[in-house]
Amino acid sequence: QSVLTQPPSVSGAPGQRVTISCSGSSSNIGAGYDVHWYQQLPGTAPKLLIYGNKNRPSGVPDRFSGSKSGTSASLAISGLQAEDEADYYCQSSDTGLRGSLFGGGTRLTVL
Amino acid sequence: QVQLQESGPGVVKPSETLSLTCSVSGGSIISSSHYWGWIRQPPGKGLEWIGIIAYGGSPQYNPSLMSRVTISADTSKNLFSLRLESVTAADTAVYYCARQINMVRGVLISWYDPWGQGMLVSVSS
Repeated sequence: QSVLTQPPSVSGAPGQRVTISCSGSSSNIGAGYDVHWYQQLPGTAPKLLIYGNKNRPSGVPDRFSGSKSGTSASLAISGLQAEDEADYYCQSSDTGLRGSLFGGGTRLTVL
Repeated sequence: QVQLQESGPGVVKPSETLSLTCSVSGGSIISSSHYWGWIRQPPGKGLEWIGIIAYGGSPQYNPSLMSRVTISADTSKNLFSLRLESVTAADTAVYYCARQINMVRGVLISWYDPWGQGMLVSVSS
């Protein structure tokens, strides 16, 4: 069981908007640690999608956006496309752990 | 741009030691703003942070693996390595190396970019 909780799966039709939540606690997200998001396409390594809660690396479409509030964070994907079908992971840090922790991952299915 | 590549045996026998190397190209591992880390993913499961090493600093490990893991760096070859002792079938996973980017804003903010392509290591007799 991950310290950062994500829904196991979400789905949406092409063109729709979906959100993926990442729920933490006062010792990680709520302690001021930023949340970062990764996209893992089937059979490939994770790729940085959002860093510092809301920043997109160069090359990431603005259809992807991130936010953080309190002890939770969210990844929103608008204008869903078939190629967005992937696993998505949130990542943060914890005051009790001198390192990183990942959410359990969310599988996005584009209907 | 920085690229990372994992290498090592794809099969390790139970109770033996898993050893992997991550070669870094396009940048130096001698960096004050970057650490270098290992992350693994068992088949069909999520990501698990193993640990990191920083140039001139002490490695940091996941408490659940601390008794069995060692991460070291060879600056002359621009690579860093993972050793995991006394492996069992539960250690079967794709092992990724990645660059950890750091920023300080009250606390240490860290994320991973880029990642290596990953290497499947199976623990089997």
